[in-house]
Amino acid sequence: AQSVTQLGSHVSVSEGALVLLRCNYSSSVPPYLFWYVQYPNQGLQLLLKYTSAATLVKGINGFEAEFKKSETSFHLTKPSAHMSDAAEYFCAVSESSASKIIFGSGTRLSIRP
Amino acid sequence: GAGVSQSPSNKVTEKGKDVELRCDPISGHTALYWYRQSLGQGLEFLIYFQGNSAPDKSGLPSDRFSAERTGGSVSTLTIQRTQQEDSAVYLCASSFDRGNTDTQYFGPGTRLTVL
Repeated sequence: AQSVTQLGSHVSVSEGALVLLRCNYSSSVPPYLFWYVQYPNQGLQLLLKYTSAATLVKGINGFEAEFKKSETSFHLTKPSAHMSDAAEYFCAVSESSASKIIFGSGTRLSIRP
Repeated sequence: GAGVSQSPSNKVTEKGKDVELRCDPISGHTALYWYRQSLGQGLEFLIYFQGNSAPDKSGLPSDRFSAERTGGSVSTLTIQRTQQEDSAVYLCASSFDRGNTDTQYFGPGTRLTVL
């Protein structure tokens, strides 16, 4: 069975500050890991995905995530927050890139001017 | 190119009525998924179609829910005798299902409100 835990349902940072959204996973098989973003009143958009290649994954909009097997973590970071980054972020896991995705509960990111 | 489309975008129905939600996947995508997003349950997997294989129905919450995919393309999710707890945004996604390079692309969703 697979599961994902996102620590913090709401994170608030100042514009220009580091963004860190935490995600821990549980999987009995080598996982595929994803971060999706959902902007207000819009659909889900893939930010980045880990598929057992490089452990540091770079995504769109300056985001990146690092797969750490020893910590079962896949935290999402961005060096400098922008107002347009305000959205809901979902960490997710699957057994392959094409099987059902198990989503975390989501973290709402707010950006303070 | 065109993305995943879903219709209707909003649906309001009365408790006990049946509803049908439609998903048009990206052309050529062989895999199709249904999820729902609700306040209480977050994002949940419902059902997965892959080519001609039997669908993975492990996420369907009750036998009131069913889905079909005709001709390997368009899919319809049917909810019979709707209940208020069925109120949610129903999301459809599709992918090529060719292994490591595949990505699920999501549609805008159908917001279902059961009164």
